This record gives sequence, C-alpha cells and structure tokens, in this order.
Amino acid sequence: EVQVVESGGGLVQPGGSLRLSCAGSGFTFSDHYMDWVRQAPGKGPEWVSRSRNKANGYTTEYAPSVKGRFTISRDDSKDSLYLQMNSLKTEDTAVYYCVRSCSGTSCSDGYYYYMDVWGKGTTVTVSS
Amino acid sequence: DIQMTQSPSAMSASVGDRVTITCRASPGINNHLVWFQQKPGEAPKRLIYTISSLQTGVPSRFSGSGSGTEFTLTINSLQPEDFATYYCLQHSSYPLTFGGGTKVEIK
Repeated sequence: EVQVVESGGGLVQPGGSLRLSCAGSGFTFSDHYMDWVRQAPGKGPEWVSRSRNKANGYTTEYAPSVKGRFTISRDDSKDSLYLQMNSLKTEDTAVYYCVRSCSGTSCSDGYYYYMDVWGKGTTVTVSS
Repeated sequence: DIQMTQSPSAMSASVGDRVTITCRASPGINNHLVWFQQKPGEAPKRLIYTISSLQTGVPSRFSGSGSGTEFTLTINSLQPEDFATYYCLQHSSYPLTFGGGTKVEIK
C-alpha cells in the first residue's frame, strides 16, 4: 500500500523549534517530489514547501510565510522527508501534511502523481 | 502570487442535484489545476488533476473542465458521500496556491 506517515508534531512556545518527519512506503520515494502542506484550524490548506527529487538536484521551494524559518530536507536512503521549523509563531499552528507529488526528470512528465497521496497529518500548536 | 478565487464559498444541495464549483485564476495557469475533496477530520483527497483527468477510483459523476483562467468542477447526481468541502489548487508557479474552498451542505 502506498502511504506517507507524519510524526513529530506537538506543543511548542513562540520562538521555539520543532522537526517534523514523514516516512514513505509502498513506492519509490527517491523518484518523487515531496511537499508539506498545512491547514490551520477552520481554514483551507496552505502549501508550505517542496523538495524536488534526486533527478532535479533535491532543490527546494518555500512559501513566503515560512521562507527563512523552515527548512525542508529528505533522506532517500530512509524514504523520509523532514521539515525543520524554527522561530515558530502562533500563526504556524496547524495540521501539517506530507504529500507525494510529481515524479521524473521534469514534473510535467509525472503529473499523474501530482499531490496524489496525503498522510493523516501531524498537529503543531504554537502557544505560550 | 497567483490568486485563486473559488465560488461559491458555500452551497446547499439535495441528493441527485448537479453541482458546479468555479475557480478563477489571476493570472492564467494553463492546465496546472487540481481539485480536492475534504471531509471533516480527514486529509484532502485528490479528485482531478490537469483540469480534467480523473483520479483512479473517483466516481465518474465528478468531472473537471476549463482553461487558462476559469475552471469548473461538476458533480452530476450528488450523492450523500459527496457532502464535503472542495478546493482547487494551482501549480503553475510558486508559491502554489489553493482556492478558498466550497462547502457543499445538505439542503
């Protein structure tokens, strides 16, 4: 079964740090771009960050709201994706989802997989 | 950033109705549009990608259409399990952006 499972959420004070993890299984993790998407309570989803695959040099993208504070990384030998979150703010409170995305040397070659597999999410609460 | 304007934000419908949800993109996004369904307490579920390609396992009563700046999700013959919130997503440029959502409620 193809799945991704997040972990690492919790309660943290403003200004603190947290590291989220995502374990993929049932697919060739290294082939895929991987995303983090979050959803604040009662709000719609917000894309957070992307890690491209090995074929694209593991390059990364960030939403303006987290750029400079969050760092996405991956370890394909462990089929794992990470999100290091620093300088956390109350507005970062949300459920964080790990999402499988496109594959191949060009994302346009793998739109079949575009954001097709989501984990159940891990909850991050930033509060004093 | 590309703005995705979704309408309506909420609607009431009955089982068997035909439902249409619209997303407008500014500026245009070619074919880089995905539709998701979300039920309370669950992760979003992909329904349609590249405007009109149906996700495997999604019932054929769901369909997508449009081009450039205006896109539509249509649900033919609404079923009880379709009452949920629907979101569009553009992936033409970064940051990727979602529409504001459409909550489909039972009339």
